[in-house]
Amino acid sequence: EPEVTQTPSHQVTQMGQEVILRCVPISNHLYFYWYRQILGQKVEFLVSFYNNEISEKSEIFDDQFSVERPDGSNFTLKIRSTKLEDSAMYFCASRGQLVLLAEAFFGQGTRLTVV
Amino acid sequence: TQLLEQSPQFLSIQEGENLTVYCNSSSVFSSLQWYRQEPGEGPVLLVTVVTGGEVKKLKRLTFQFGDARKDSSLHITAAQPGDTGLYLCADGHSNSGYALNFGKGTSLLVTP
Repeated sequence: EPEVTQTPSHQVTQMGQEVILRCVPISNHLYFYWYRQILGQKVEFLVSFYNNEISEKSEIFDDQFSVERPDGSNFTLKIRSTKLEDSAMYFCASRGQLVLLAEAFFGQGTRLTVV
Repeated sequence: TQLLEQSPQFLSIQEGENLTVYCNSSSVFSSLQWYRQEPGEGPVLLVTVVTGGEVKKLKRLTFQFGDARKDSSLHITAAQPGDTGLYLCADGHSNSGYALNFGKGTSLLVTP
């Protein structure tokens, strides 16, 4: 069964360092998303991406965040200068169509710990 | 901004019991989705409901969407330990990119 794959599963980084979280969406999907879940809080939307550009972003997604699809398979989230409050689970999701009943498939997540 | 309230926040029951969890929205849902999330995993879609008053069944799970499309319930019959997880409701169309707006979830523990 096709699945969304995220690497690494766990990343520990020092405050101020740059991190890149990687995702391989389902191969024929066109719409990609990043969400985050701070421990004990709800899953929050960060950004959506279609046709090699950002289609929507939340107020959380400020200038320290960027996304890229560097090749035909990977979808990355970069955090330029990490802060302690960036510690969270980061989930990538992909969707094949942009209709109400089209399912979004989530990866297993990357746990980012900023120390 | 749409606010989704889920209740109860935590629920611990024994195998074989029935339970109901709730999701209430401050505004009308575009579409309502229920997800289950297990520890260390991403959310997995259980069901999507669109029409007010709609009822959907998935084995022992019954999903009900309120007539006014502002609330929903998830009922589990004869709960099993495999039902343990975090149950999340979400609006499936919170913006033009179909981003999901989630509630905080109900954490369910079913003990043998």
